[in-house]
Amino acid sequence: GAGVSQSPSNKVTEKGKDVELRCDPISGHTALYWYRQRLGQGLEFLIYFQGNSAPDKSGLPSDRFSAERTGESVSTLTIQRTQQEDSAVYLCATMALNTEAFFGQGTRLTVV
Amino acid sequence: GEDVEQSLFLSVREGDSSVINCTYTDSSSTYLYWYKQEPGAGLQLLTYIFSNMDMKQDQRLTVLLNKKDKHLSLRIADTQTGDSAIYFCADRLGGKLIFGQGTELSVKP
Repeated sequence: GAGVSQSPSNKVTEKGKDVELRCDPISGHTALYWYRQRLGQGLEFLIYFQGNSAPDKSGLPSDRFSAERTGESVSTLTIQRTQQEDSAVYLCATMALNTEAFFGQGTRLTVV
Repeated sequence: GEDVEQSLFLSVREGDSSVINCTYTDSSSTYLYWYKQEPGAGLQLLTYIFSNMDMKQDQRLTVLLNKKDKHLSLRIADTQTGDSAIYFCADRLGGKLIFGQGTELSVKP
């Protein structure tokens, strides 16, 4: 596709349920990032994938959060046993070598 | 870890210049970026500067980088109401991108 695509665009879930968020990168972009943006806040780094290297998971806030990416394809961010404080917009960005990061429109997650 | 700091709010009059400031802590940054986020929209790259440069100009935008002080600024000349948005600076360390908390620019007519 022409840009970074994230799905779903909106997700409402009950506290305690698991959710899976998807990011389709721009073809050929080797780097992929996940960020969390709470209402009125900045971008909080979660995880970074670069090609087939081990991901940098240093931003994941707890072991309820995990992400997968195979090669340079789709990535999924999974949040287990969701809590109300997980409510936020989850943004995915991808980058080719030494260029800008292109952002998707985000998934707005609401935990009720 | 790396820390990127910005002031949270800036208010200017239409036609004035805006200067948005950013500081970072890690001297091994390779690229520094400015992104714009309009209400309800995604992040859009405005401009970026390579760490061996100290200035970059692009139409109404001027980026200044002071590596010694680890200070980055974005100047918007002749600010318009359409420039009202949140502006994020970002620091690239190796491949990792770290963002500041954003500066909300309000432009009054």
